[in-house]
Amino acid sequence: DTGVSQDPRHKITKRGQNVTFRCDPISEHNRLYWYRQTLGQGPEFLTYFQNEAQLEKSRLLSDRFSAERPKGSFSTLEIQRTEQGDSAMYLCASRRINSPLHFGNGTRLTVT
Amino acid sequence: AQTVTQSQPEMSVQEAETVTLSCTYDTSESDYYLFWYKQPPSRQMILVIRQEAYKQQNATENRFSVNFQKAAKSFSLKISDSQLGDAAMYFCAYRSDNDMRFGAGTRLTVKP
Repeated sequence: DTGVSQDPRHKITKRGQNVTFRCDPISEHNRLYWYRQTLGQGPEFLTYFQNEAQLEKSRLLSDRFSAERPKGSFSTLEIQRTEQGDSAMYLCASRRINSPLHFGNGTRLTVT
Repeated sequence: AQTVTQSQPEMSVQEAETVTLSCTYDTSESDYYLFWYKQPPSRQMILVIRQEAYKQQNATENRFSVNFQKAAKSFSLKISDSQLGDAAMYFCAYRSDNDMRFGAGTRLTVKP
């Protein structure tokens, strides 16, 4: 069990650019979640996968956001045409059925 | 959507004393799980304790215990013999089959 891995740890980008984050869940965890967290706030749910199927998307996830989990293992979260309001920590978490979430260290995005 | 409310943005406790963090939630589900997560300044979320809604017995993990009142939809966390390392943001979380939501968090300060 190597834990949930997220890459990169930090990303600084200019407004209008596209960014992509990667999450490698714990192996055999079939459920994968993306959350966004701003300073001093709790994680806000963005989207959720069961295996390769994206089962739920939050209204927070605008059309500029897209997530994939093509083979039911790692996942990517892409933000197109970034805006300053997108600056946040993006957390990935995974779990098996009937088990708690395990979180990664997150990717901190700064949009300048 | 289910909501999770933490009414205490900040709490402080003297080292070795006991502190209770409050959490209420709203749901129409009968089968769900409740969690407390800790997020130290390093920002990785760590599971502290969990409670299955169908269990009447309150969960305990060493110095951490919960007071689960299902009818009142209340789920408080008690930390006994507080230690300096307990200082962190604490998040209450609710999970049904697919849905997992977090409260806004309580920042706990431990005074030496």
